[in-house]
This record gives sequence, structure tokens and C-alpha cells, in this order.
Amino acid sequence: DIQMTQFPSTLSASVGDRVTITCRASQRTNSWLAWYQQKPGKAPKLLIYKVSSLESGVPSRFGGSGSGSEFTLTISNLQPDDFGTYYCQHYNSYSWTFGQGTKVEIK
Amino acid sequence: QITLKESGPTLVKPTQTLTLTCTFSGFSLSTSGVGVGWIRQPPGKALEWLAFIFWNEDKSYSPSLMSRLTITKDTSKNLVVLTMTNMDPVDTATYFCARPYFTSGLAWDYWGQGTLVTVSS
Repeated sequence: DIQMTQFPSTLSASVGDRVTITCRASQRTNSWLAWYQQKPGKAPKLLIYKVSSLESGVPSRFGGSGSGSEFTLTISNLQPDDFGTYYCQHYNSYSWTFGQGTKVEIK
Repeated sequence: QITLKESGPTLVKPTQTLTLTCTFSGFSLSTSGVGVGWIRQPPGKALEWLAFIFWNEDKSYSPSLMSRLTITKDTSKNLVVLTMTNMDPVDTATYFCARPYFTSGLAWDYWGQGTLVTVSS
């Protein structure tokens, strides 16, 4: 099974900052990589699918990139509402794997 | 409008079997390419995918939990049922049902609100 390792596990940034979260797969993968934002007590919200496609309604300050075994989520111009925990998720052959999460705190 | 909602017991005893129901609307499990799955999240921990069922009855399970899980569907009633046997306190978690969408690379685009299940004697 492919394992997804996310880092950092936590980060603290200021409004307006550019933030990058990395997700590394244990082996080269396909491009079915997604990113979610989760706020306390809520279900995750899909932000990015297929590495770089923005889900409808998601602000354009969220962006995804990467290939092979390393993928990144970038939040440009961090906003107060962007606090929460972010998860990457990989899909392959009817199996889904999530990363351990990155908690984003606003300074 | 697509909605999903989980229902089931909030408290189960160790060794018991957990049965959770996901009732959904806004799509049909008789439509080609459509599926519903379950994901859980222990308190303060990461998401973990559990099981998935397709419109054509294809099913898949987390390898680490496969022996304990069964997923079924009732297309006419728009519901999916997950059973997990031999529950243990480490299975205490919020259980979500969700829909993965083919166009989105089978990313989970719609989620239920989740239901917290506590395993304790």
C-alpha cells in the first residue's frame, strides 16, 4: 500500500503569507491526489482534486502542484478563514489513503 | 442538492458489532459510476478510509480492517450500510459517509456531518 506523509504537521503563519504544505508518497503514484480542509467539528471540504484542479467555489488562492511522489498545496495570501487542518489523499485501484494532516494556525 | 447523513448508535460495547446507515439524496446508486464510502476519524487524529461500494455492487475495503467490515446498499431506499464487527475502544471515532466523484478523480466531494461512535463498557 502507498503511504502518504505530510509535512509540516503544524504551521503558524500570518494573514497575507504564502503557505506550502507537502505530501510525499512512499512510491511514484498516479495523479489522483486531492487536498481537503477540515475545521473543528466539521466534515472535510474538498479543495483540490487531480493534483491541481480547483473544486468549484474554492478561492483561487488555493493551488496544487506536483507529480511522481511529491505534491504540494499552496495557499497564497493566507486569510483568517484558512485556519484548520489540511489533508492530502491519494486514490489508486479502489483504495484511498490520507496523509496525517497539517494544522494551520493564524498568528 | 446532494446530502448524506449518518445514523447509528453513539455507544457500543467492546466485542459488539456496529451498524451504521448512510442515507443520501440528490443522486442515485443505480447510476453508472456512482459510489458511496465510509471514512472515520478518531478524536484528534487523521482521516482513515474504511470501505466503498459502487453502483454495480463492486466493493472495496481497507486492507487493515477488511476482515471486520461489510458494506451493502439498498438502491431503492438510497442508503448504504456499514457493519464493523468486534468493536474495540480504539475504534472510537467520528464515522463519515461520503461520495467520491469520478470526474474529480474519485475525490470525496460530498460528506455527511459525521456521527461519533464511542466504544466503552
